[in-house]
Amino acid sequence: DQQVKQNSPSLSVQEGRISILNCDYTNSMFDYFLWYKKYPAEGPTFLISISSIKDKNEDGRFTVFLNKSAKHLSLHIVPSQPGDSAVYFCAAKGETSGSRLTFGEGTQLTVNP
Amino acid sequence: DVKVTQSSRYLVKRTGEKVFLECVQDMDHENMFWYRQDPGLGLRLIYFSYDVKMKEKGDIPEGYSVSREKKERFSLILESASTNQTSMYLCASSPWDRVTDTQYFGPGTRLTVL
Repeated sequence: DQQVKQNSPSLSVQEGRISILNCDYTNSMFDYFLWYKKYPAEGPTFLISISSIKDKNEDGRFTVFLNKSAKHLSLHIVPSQPGDSAVYFCAAKGETSGSRLTFGEGTQLTVNP
Repeated sequence: DVKVTQSSRYLVKRTGEKVFLECVQDMDHENMFWYRQDPGLGLRLIYFSYDVKMKEKGDIPEGYSVSREKKERFSLILESASTNQTSMYLCASSPWDRVTDTQYFGPGTRLTVL
């Protein structure tokens, strides 16, 4: 039962263009969502988060959008840079899950120079 | 800066061996977690602990056990390693639950069971 799904295993974009990574969830109790970035041979690092009381959160080149009715969130990276090439994981938590996060499968982003 | 360290970056073990993976965090976090990462499956939670000597099963606890004798240290034990436990193992820690807490990860241990 995959409660958080990232349907695109990979995404390739040109440097300077927009990268859009998508994530869907099924558990309506989730109320906080996070994106992590992972380089090879390193642990994931926190990138950006959003609470369910908002529909958008922005941090520099990174913006996360949340559509609660569709149970969908997306991460936009503008402009994309080659250093953004990594695996991106979407994660979610809810009031009943405490500190426990549920992760998606990950999307490999490749930004070509 | 939060630092989470794991005892080994790479480990090769034989089937049937007992394997210990150690994780240490230096930020006095209450919560600690063990995940495994496999291609196409994302991060799957094996066990977590919200206090010393406390543990909770995650989504895939079979074949694993854990130990948390001190707040800063969380060990993952493979009682009898099998080839299907070949994976990347990631440890994480987080402060006590509040809405905006996040998990901080160690660099991972790549375990190969032959």
